[in-house]
Amino acid sequence: GDSVTQMEGPVTLSEEAFLTINCTYTATGYPSLFWYVQYPGEGLQLLLKATKADDKGSNKGFEATYRKETTSFHLEKGSVQVSDSAVYFCALSGNAGGTSYGKLTFGQGTILTVHP
Amino acid sequence: GAVVSQHPSRVICKSGTSVKIECRSLDFQATTMFWYRQFPKQSLMLMATSNEGSKATYEQGVEKDKFLINHASLTLSTLTVTSAHPEDSSFYICSARGAGSGNTIYFGEGSWLTVV
Repeated sequence: GDSVTQMEGPVTLSEEAFLTINCTYTATGYPSLFWYVQYPGEGLQLLLKATKADDKGSNKGFEATYRKETTSFHLEKGSVQVSDSAVYFCALSGNAGGTSYGKLTFGQGTILTVHP
Repeated sequence: GAVVSQHPSRVICKSGTSVKIECRSLDFQATTMFWYRQFPKQSLMLMATSNEGSKATYEQGVEKDKFLINHASLTLSTLTVTSAHPEDSSFYICSARGAGSGNTIYFGEGSWLTVV
């Protein structure tokens, strides 16, 4: 079955540091890939997505590129802020437009803490 | 943009009682909704897929008689936890996709259930 593996956390960084959270996946066909963010006590917010190989999703300074050859979707940000402290989830879904689109398989989540 | 709303955000109930959680799509027709469960400091696990006007499809290991899902309209799905026990205490979160959501999957804010 489908699976998503994220780098283990927690990740602790100083403000303005460079962030990478690794994510690799196993899936049949051509899944859509997502990064979600969860702030303490809240639900999930979509951070970015990519629906086909070589697509780059970006939002709020975060970006991730869909690499089919390495089955990866690593999240990066050039300069993190304290307000970026949250849990980040990598996820995949069936191909956009397919019947399984929206049924998400999540990675285990990575806790990010950014210190001033 | 499209929004998915869950209610209640927090609920405490006594063991043996039932509790209903609502998931509403506010400005698009959600043909499909998904229900997830998240234990503290863990990832989200899909419980079931809910299609408007038909029976929900449950994931392996999820008790369909305990977690009743109804998707009676294109804007509302409900999850009823029946005969709740303390081990049902968890964070329940729904997501939705459908016409007008632009292939985006929107999550509700989540509902914290505590069974005492």
